[in-house]
Amino acid sequence: AAGVIQSPRHLIKEKRETATLKCYPIPRHDTVYWYQQGPGQDPQFLISFYEKMQSDKGSIPDRFSAQQFSDYHSELNMSSLELGDSALYFCASSLSARDRQFFGPGTRLTVL
Amino acid sequence: DQQVKQNSPSLSVQEGRISILNCDYTNSMFDYFLWYKKYPAEGPTFLISISSIKDKNEDGRFTVFLNKSAKHLSLHIVPSQPGDSAVYFCAAIGRNQAGTALIFGKGTTLSVSS
Repeated sequence: AAGVIQSPRHLIKEKRETATLKCYPIPRHDTVYWYQQGPGQDPQFLISFYEKMQSDKGSIPDRFSAQQFSDYHSELNMSSLELGDSALYFCASSLSARDRQFFGPGTRLTVL
Repeated sequence: DQQVKQNSPSLSVQEGRISILNCDYTNSMFDYFLWYKKYPAEGPTFLISISSIKDKNEDGRFTVFLNKSAKHLSLHIVPSQPGDSAVYFCAAIGRNQAGTALIFGKGTTLSVSS
């Protein structure tokens, strides 16, 4: 069965650079979520989209922005990267809000 | 303040025995609970869920129990297998400041020895 696809799987950036993470949800899933997991931490919700509109906002820094496109894929744009942004970034999708979420393999971002 | 708490960071069990992973929550608005399993370098994988209108849900070797009055849920794995060794996250959904996002506990690392 198709799963959530994230790209890239690994990304290395320097401080103050920008990064773009991509997420391709499971076909027919209309809700996309972004989570950040720091070392030894639980995943923290950043932002979600339902039918291409932002639905909920969590602890996403102002330096980050995201959107969902007409084909339902989503991109997380991160600017002015800081060392503390180094983390695993997970995308998840679901058939509808409040349905179980299926996670992608994550993008490991390292900021040097 | 952690709204979903997994107070045991780790658990070791012998193959064939029962594994019991516990989770407590503080927000009474949570009404849907999920357990995810996570291997290193992979995303969390959905295991089992339970709605607040139930007190038990079973799926093969996995059973989740919910005690709403105690704001407590547990995941039972019987019999435990070495392949079950992973980090287990308890998660909750409810109408809170994060809307419909999953609120995760910090995880419990389960080690099943053969």
